[in-house]
Amino acid sequence: QITLKESGPTLVKPTQTLTLTCTFSGFSLSSNGVGVAWIRQPPGKAPEWLALIYWDDDERYSPSLRSRLTISKGTSKNQVVLTMTNMDPVDTATYYCAHRGEDSSSVAEYLQHWGPGTLVTVSS
Amino acid sequence: DIQMTQSPSSLSASGGDSVTITCRASQSINRNLHWYQQKPGKAPKLLIYAASNLQSGVPSRVSGSGSGTHFTLTIRSVQPEDLATYYCQQSYSYPWTFGQGTKVEIK
Repeated sequence: QITLKESGPTLVKPTQTLTLTCTFSGFSLSSNGVGVAWIRQPPGKAPEWLALIYWDDDERYSPSLRSRLTISKGTSKNQVVLTMTNMDPVDTATYYCAHRGEDSSSVAEYLQHWGPGTLVTVSS
Repeated sequence: DIQMTQSPSSLSASGGDSVTITCRASQSINRNLHWYQQKPGKAPKLLIYAASNLQSGVPSRVSGSGSGTHFTLTIRSVQPEDLATYYCQQSYSYPWTFGQGTKVEIK
């Protein structure tokens, strides 16, 4: 059974750096084909994909946020970390991590399992 | 970025009705299109992957179709538990993008 859970601060001040941790179980990020993504969702809006890290350390980012984001494997084998610099009130959102799935026939990638999310508010 | 446009933005259906949600991509994405259901206060849940494949555990009255730029999600015999917002998402190219959502209300 695959599970993921996000953790980190619930409140950050403008200009501060946000660090979120995704702790997962049921799969290994060192196994071929595995990936973990971060997605955020401002209140009342659609989800926005932020970044993805693959088992081979390949990293992909949203171009509009690339200069502010870093995704990495955590010091613990079952963790992925997202850092976002220079936080602003518009970054207030629920942040999710998700396990990447892949359709073997089409090689399409999708977000198969999601964590419950963590609400981050940016305010002074 | 590939833009994903859903229609309608919201709909209201009576129990037992069939509902169809459309998702259009700004360019061809082959079949790299997925559908998620999000209930209030919960994380999105995968329903359909690669346009038409039913995720394990999802009832068979849910189906998806399409390829290229035009996709549909159909829910037959709508039930009260189908009250949710539905999102399409493409993974053809980075950045992965979502539609704006379709809110389904049950009369």
